[in-house]
Amino acid sequence: QQQVKQSPQSLIVQKGGISIINCAYENTAFDYFPWYQQFPGKGPALLIAIRPDVSEKKEGRFTISFNKSAKQFSLHIMDSQPGDSATYFCAASINGGSYIPTFGRGTSLIVHP
Amino acid sequence: DVKVTQSSRYLVKRTGEKVFLECVQDMDHENMFWYRQDPGLGLRLIYFSYDVKMKEKGDIPEGYSVSREKKERFSLILESASTNQTSMYLCASSLMAGLSSYNSPLHFGNGTRLTVT
Repeated sequence: QQQVKQSPQSLIVQKGGISIINCAYENTAFDYFPWYQQFPGKGPALLIAIRPDVSEKKEGRFTISFNKSAKQFSLHIMDSQPGDSATYFCAASINGGSYIPTFGRGTSLIVHP
Repeated sequence: DVKVTQSSRYLVKRTGEKVFLECVQDMDHENMFWYRQDPGLGLRLIYFSYDVKMKEKGDIPEGYSVSREKKERFSLILESASTNQTSMYLCASSLMAGLSSYNSPLHFGNGTRLTVT
């Protein structure tokens, strides 16, 4: 049973376009939603994270949008660059409770020059 | 900067061999994890440990065991390797449980690609 569902599995975007990756969760106890970025040959690394008390968090070209009522959150990459080509994982965890994040299955993003 | 080091980048083993994957972290983190990464299946938790000599099963522990004799080192053991264990294995660490998740993200190593023939 997937507790965090991520889509699409793969995404191809032209340079300068907007990349959008969506995640949905079922456990309403989740209250911390990080995104991890993984480049080829490397391990995942924390990219950006959001708490449910805000609906949006922006860091540079990366924005998380969060919809608590719909139990959905998404990553938007504005002005996508070839250097953004990577695998992106959304995750969810319970702050102060289980410290183990539940990961989505990942999205392979390719940004064409 | 946290560093999680996995001893081997690539490993080729034969079916039935006993395989050891080693992981060391240098930031005095309490928690350590072993994940398996397969295309389309994402990151699946095999085992984790929140203290020396402590271990807990993750989502897919069958065919694996772990050892944590020292705080900085967490080993994954395949008692009798099988071809369906061919995969990328990722080790990770994080600060102690009970702290805010906001302050204890996972730090991953660069992975060990294991091929079992």
